[in-house]
Amino acid sequence: NAGVTQTPKFRVLKTGQSMTLLCAQDMNHEYMYWYRQDPGMGLRLIHYSVGEGTTAKGEVPDGYNVSRLKKQNFLLGLESAAPSQTSVYFCASSSGGIANEKLFFGSGTQLSVL
Amino acid sequence: KQEVTQIPAALSVPEGENLVLNCSFTDSAIYNLQWFRQDPGKGLTSLLLIQSSQREQTSGRLNASLDKSSGRSTLYIAASQPGDSATYLCAVEKTGANNLFFGTGTRLTVIP
Repeated sequence: NAGVTQTPKFRVLKTGQSMTLLCAQDMNHEYMYWYRQDPGMGLRLIHYSVGEGTTAKGEVPDGYNVSRLKKQNFLLGLESAAPSQTSVYFCASSSGGIANEKLFFGSGTQLSVL
Repeated sequence: KQEVTQIPAALSVPEGENLVLNCSFTDSAIYNLQWFRQDPGKGLTSLLLIQSSQREQTSGRLNASLDKSSGRSTLYIAASQPGDSATYLCAVEKTGANNLFFGTGTRLTVIP
């Protein structure tokens, strides 16, 4: 009964380092999303995907890249981490677009960039 | 840009009380509104989804209403329990945006 699984759960990076966050879902959902959550702000959409092989920019895409090579996986990459990217990152998925379907979230990745 | 506001930011109530959480949004052109629950250190769990054509949704002790014209939604929790303690977030999907705009949440504490 895994649902949406994110790895890693915690990570500390130095400025300029790169890393990839992995999101995996076992519900055969078409849509997947990456959000970041910062204190005092609502969750903000970074990138999303409407199906295998597709990606699209969200509200705050700068400094991030994504890939959806397999339907069940959605990867978020930081090529050159900056302190402003310190945040909690959440992956989510849905069977259809969010106009009609509930989102299912992972438990998050706490990222600190020093 | 869609702005979503939740007031109050924090609320404490004794067990058994009925309570109302508020959400307001600036742009009434929305597809739907969702209420989520977030427990500390965990992800969000979707509680209720109200389509723009609907006025309310109910699930157990939870009832959410939507008034698009005034840009408001409420989440009513009946007979609150300590297990209801969490942060409650509302989010709206603006027409055509394929993006949920989230409020900053109301942190609820139910005191036994």
